[in-house]
Amino acid sequence: QKEVEQNSGPLSVPEGAIASLNCTYSDRGSQSFFWYRQYSGKSPELIMSIYSNGDKEDGRFTAQLNKASQYVSLLIRDSQPSDSATYLCAVRRRYGSNRLAFGKGNQVVVIP
Amino acid sequence: EAGVAQSPRYKIIEKRQSVAFWCNPISGHATLYWYQQILGQGPKLLIQFQNNGVVDDSQLPKDRFSAERLKGVDSTLKIQPAKLEDSAVYLCASSFTRAHTGELFFGEGSRLTVL
Repeated sequence: QKEVEQNSGPLSVPEGAIASLNCTYSDRGSQSFFWYRQYSGKSPELIMSIYSNGDKEDGRFTAQLNKASQYVSLLIRDSQPSDSATYLCAVRRRYGSNRLAFGKGNQVVVIP
Repeated sequence: EAGVAQSPRYKIIEKRQSVAFWCNPISGHATLYWYQQILGQGPKLLIQFQNNGVVDDSQLPKDRFSAERLKGVDSTLKIQPAKLEDSAVYLCASSFTRAHTGELFFGEGSRLTVL
């Protein structure tokens, strides 16, 4: 079982719509959860972090965490062409090295 | 504030040759990471340093990969001998602390092509 799974294929959304991305993780003791955005040919950059169950909003982005279901999601409201990128879910283990493990990412394409 | 510096940006070698990548983290960042990102996949941690000590190298193929961070600042990742499957972008990242709230700052990466 992979540490972090993102199974959805490329997501195409019209400009102004909501993009919804999902992620599951295997280590029940994980405490910190992140969403990174990676533009093509560029490095990942942090856009959201969440540590407790529930929703966290930052501008057009909302992260949702459900530790009982080991599930993290990201909503992008009012999607813009500049949101076209790959979104990486990352989970930090609680013990040991606190390794930050990444999922494979979900590509989002916003169509003008 | 200067970001994470990496070099070279691009490298093409033949299989069985060796290659080295260099990383200089953000000043004051104690934790340094090397990730491997194969096309279409997420970054995979190869090694994590806290100052000049290794915290996690459980996913480093130690028969061919090595890394060091001698003075707790910059770091070198070496591959010898390279295999075709090592073709990837090698990302260096740093963070102020390895505590659970720490954000990772990534360099631009070093793209390796093994022919």
